[in-house]
Parts: sequence; C-alpha cells; structure tokens
Amino acid sequence: DTAVSQTPKYLVTQMGNDKSIKCEQNLGHDTMYWYKQDSKKFLKIMFSYNNKELIINETVPNRFSPKSPDKAHLNLHINSLELGDSAVYFCASSQSLVVGTEAFFGQGTRLTVV
Amino acid sequence: DAKTTQPTSMDCAEGRAANLPCNHSTISGNEYVYWYRQIHSQGPQYIIHGLKNNETNEMASLIITEDRKSSTLILPHATLRDTAVYYCIEIIQGAQKLVFGQGTRLTINP
Repeated sequence: DTAVSQTPKYLVTQMGNDKSIKCEQNLGHDTMYWYKQDSKKFLKIMFSYNNKELIINETVPNRFSPKSPDKAHLNLHINSLELGDSAVYFCASSQSLVVGTEAFFGQGTRLTVV
Repeated sequence: DAKTTQPTSMDCAEGRAANLPCNHSTISGNEYVYWYRQIHSQGPQYIIHGLKNNETNEMASLIITEDRKSSTLILPHATLRDTAVYYCIEIIQGAQKLVFGQGTRLTINP
C-alpha cells in the first residue's frame, strides 16, 4: 500500500483554468504538507495542516487553497492557473507537527500550465 | 533559506562507500542534522538523522564531528539505485517544516 498517494501524477492545463490535486495518507499521521519543486529543483514548503487546521502558509498566493476534509486528506486547489505555477507538487505527512519525526512524501504531481 | 552547505555533485563507483559531506557551521545545540534523498522523479525519502552522536541504520551511517559543525553521510556499499540528490538539513527541535537546500547530486557509476 502506498503511504502517501497523490492524484493525478501528471496534469497539463491551460492558463486561467482551475485545477485540484488530491492527496491521501494511510499512515495515521496528524500532519500533512504541500511542497513545491520548481524548474531549478528547489523544494519549498507551501502549507502544513495539523488535524485539519492550517499551521503554515508560506506566503503562497491566494489562488492556492488547501482543503483538509479529514486528517488523512489534504487537497490543493489552484485557481486561475499561471505559467509560473508549472512545477512538481509534493504532498507529505508526518506523525506530528514536530518535523523531527520522519516525513513521508508522495510521488509528486507534475503540473504543466500552457 | 537552508543553512547547510554541500558540494553540488559527486561521483562514486558501484560497490564502494559513498561519503557525502555537509557543513553546518552555525548549527545550534538543539538543532538536529537530517538527511533526505530524492531519486529521479520521486518524492524525497528520509535516510537518517542525528544530534551529537554518530548514527547507523539499514540505509546509511551518519558521522557528526565533535564540534558539530560538519557531518558525513556514508552509504557503505553504493549501488546504482543510490543515484539521487542528497539533502542535508538542519532542523531545530520542535520545528514545523523542512528547509531544503540544493543538495548533492550523487552519481553511482558501474
């Protein structure tokens, strides 16, 4: 069983569209994250949630709206997509907010905006 | 921003030990050193972490200098599947996020 699964794996869409990426973890973890890896391969945190509550929002544009219906899911909705949103988005989870524990990452969603 | 410094790239022969250095000269007493790696087209994967003492697990060994200003990740018998980008990360106890630097691109050659 995949610990952290994201769908879709690939997403190609036009500028101005709205799209969602889904993430689910079956590890029973309390904390989930979204990271973005840009074309230069830098990984940066976007959001973190703990028990469905937003903890970290790293100055991400309002067009990005995470939603956590329960602690096993953290979906990422993006409105009015722009070319600069093209990147690989990784979902992750950890047992608690303390990142000293091991974080598990999904396989990533490669978003291409054309 | 990441506070660690790593070489941009390294090569190692298959079957040999791969030693990846990391400088963290400004590390404070309650900051841990964590290592993750990212194999091509996959998400990052946890390897090992330590505070002061050397650590070993089934994947690797972590050697931390006595002054804690640098460390070395050792993959004892590198295989082709160890080709990846390796990230050395300082994490303060209680921190809520991982801050990735550029990492070291390790290539294992047959």
